[in-house]
Amino acid sequence: KNQVEQSPQSLIILEGKNCTLQCNYTVSPFSNLRWYKQDTGRGPVSLTIMTFSENTKSNGRYTATLDADTKQSSLHITASQLSDSASYICVVSDRTGGSYIPTFGRGTSLIVHP
Amino acid sequence: EPEVTQTPSHQVTQMGQEVILRCVPISNHLYFYWYRQILGQKVEFLVSFYNNEISEKSEIFDDQFSVERPDGSNFTLKIRSTKLEDSAMYFCARGTPGGQPQHFGDGTRLSIL
Repeated sequence: KNQVEQSPQSLIILEGKNCTLQCNYTVSPFSNLRWYKQDTGRGPVSLTIMTFSENTKSNGRYTATLDADTKQSSLHITASQLSDSASYICVVSDRTGGSYIPTFGRGTSLIVHP
Repeated sequence: EPEVTQTPSHQVTQMGQEVILRCVPISNHLYFYWYRQILGQKVEFLVSFYNNEISEKSEIFDDQFSVERPDGSNFTLKIRSTKLEDSAMYFCARGTPGGQPQHFGDGTRLSIL
């Protein structure tokens, strides 16, 4: 069964600090991995998408890495801001036939304090 | 401007009643998805819809559920006879031309009494 595990479950940091969120997956056949940011009461917003051949992808202060051999990904947030407080969700899709089937992690709840 | 608009934002329904959740993608796309998120739990895939047909569905998407694109614009999720455990946030998403979920709406909170 496809699974996506994220750690830590929650994280509290001070504004301006960096942090790294982890994602381990067992999804096959692997198609792509996305990181989403979900603000409370809102839908998820895509931050990065990575395919099998990509190791690193950046989007502003967000940098995602992917190790397809160990089936691990990380999301690094640089110089955190109060608005970064949200749930960060790792989603790994397999491709069965012509369709993409996403498996969601439970997310990491990030709180940034002033 | 949101890519995907969902209505209503909150729906309260008696158990056993039918409910229809609506999604309006602003631009023309072929791929659409429905997800649900029970309070405090992870997002779960329900169904993907391509070119006016269901392409994939999860084990959650049983005979109680159906999806339609009745007028070529709105995309609906119908739950025929709601149960208490159907209470959740329901998210609609549209996909990229490659068929990957990309833009989510802000969801409909469904409360079953």
